[in-house]
Amino acid sequence: ETGVTQTPRHLVMGMTNKKSLKCEQHLGHNAMYWYKQSAKKPLELMFVYNFKEQTENNSVPSRFSPECPNSSHLFLHLHTLQPEDSALYLCASSQELGRDSPLHFGNGTRLTVT
Amino acid sequence: GNSVTQMEGPVTLSEEAFLTINCTYTATGYPSLFWYVQYPGEGLQLLLKATKADDKGSNKGFEATYRKETTSFHLEKGSVQVSDSAVYFCALSRTGGTSYGKLTFGQGTILTVHP
Repeated sequence: ETGVTQTPRHLVMGMTNKKSLKCEQHLGHNAMYWYKQSAKKPLELMFVYNFKEQTENNSVPSRFSPECPNSSHLFLHLHTLQPEDSALYLCASSQELGRDSPLHFGNGTRLTVT
Repeated sequence: GNSVTQMEGPVTLSEEAFLTINCTYTATGYPSLFWYVQYPGEGLQLLLKATKADDKGSNKGFEATYRKETTSFHLEKGSVQVSDSAVYFCALSRTGGTSYGKLTFGQGTILTVHP
């Protein structure tokens, strides 16, 4: 078990669909993150939550909507996506928001928008 | 602003060869530096880290030294194995304002090791 579990592993959706990505961490961490990993581009930080409060929204389009009901769970709600949103979406957690606090990643959800 | 630049890949080596993956950074303040590794079909895993100048991070035979004078954090391994084939990411933690603690990643370097 990785400590950070993401579901589903793969998702194919049309541009008019609504779907959600789920992330759960079993590490007792206080900070959770969503990253987007696209081919040939650096990882893009999308959202950061610290103690369930959103501390960063990195200019992400409103068709991506995060939700953090508690420190262990993080969701990414998707609606009216575009084909260029196809990517690997990675969830991560860390003990705290600190310069020395490493991230623990899940295995990601491979999203394809058709 | 903060940025991380890694050497262009892919890097292809034979088993037991010496590995170097270059990483340089631009940052304000005194960031911590990290190397993460991503195996096929998986998320990123922390490989090693260094939190201040001249620190050496090491793990699984990999090493990297935090060089403030050259703003570098190059990854090295003396003898690679086929199982080291993966994508390697250099990263730094931001130190300013509301971005404190968040990571900036390089673009990743693909390593393939042949038997």
